[in-house]
Amino acid sequence: AQRVTQPEKLLSVFKGAPVELKCNYSYSGSPELFWYVQYSRQRLQLLLRHISRESIKGFTADLNKGETSFHLKKPFAQEEDSAMYYCALWGGSEKLVFGKGTKLTVNP
Amino acid sequence: ETGVTQSPTHLIKTRGQQVTLRCSSQSGHNTVSWYQQALGQGPQFIFQYYREEENGRGNFPPRFSGLQFPNYSSELNVNALELDDSALYLCASRGASGRSLVEQFFGPGTRLTVL
Repeated sequence: AQRVTQPEKLLSVFKGAPVELKCNYSYSGSPELFWYVQYSRQRLQLLLRHISRESIKGFTADLNKGETSFHLKKPFAQEEDSAMYYCALWGGSEKLVFGKGTKLTVNP
Repeated sequence: ETGVTQSPTHLIKTRGQQVTLRCSSQSGHNTVSWYQQALGQGPQFIFQYYREEENGRGNFPPRFSGLQFPNYSSELNVNALELDDSALYLCASRGASGRSLVEQFFGPGTRLTVL
């Protein structure tokens, strides 16, 4: 079964502090992992995907197959990073499996 | 190029009724997926349509059905509404995927409330 776990429902940091949003997955094959973000009053949008291996808005995420994790990191959080973040897994079938999300609040 | 649009924005129904939600795909996209997002939860896959055929389904009962039209727009129909069907319904469109999943573009959603 495909499963995505985001253990933190809420995460609060101060501006300029490092931030890490955790994501663990369960899948027997080789999945593709994604981070989606939803800013206030905006639609869900793709932030980054592991196969791209790129940094978007200062965020990076590394797929760790040994630990089955895909944590999202940013060294210096900004207030505009405040949003809902969803980790998602695609196992090669038609469906994208999402975690329950983490609400990140960056305080001034 | 226009993005994914959904209608209506909000909808209130009573238990037992039927509802139809609509989605207009982004230009050039031939694949549409529907998701249910309950309060405090992540989106949950309902089903997907590719070239007017359902080609993937999540753990939803048959009273959730859909259609995709030749212009790739789509409908989600829910019969015999239950209170637990209250949720945000998201539509996402994309082009055909190969070995990697092509980026999906989400609509703003339809908020359904069942009383």
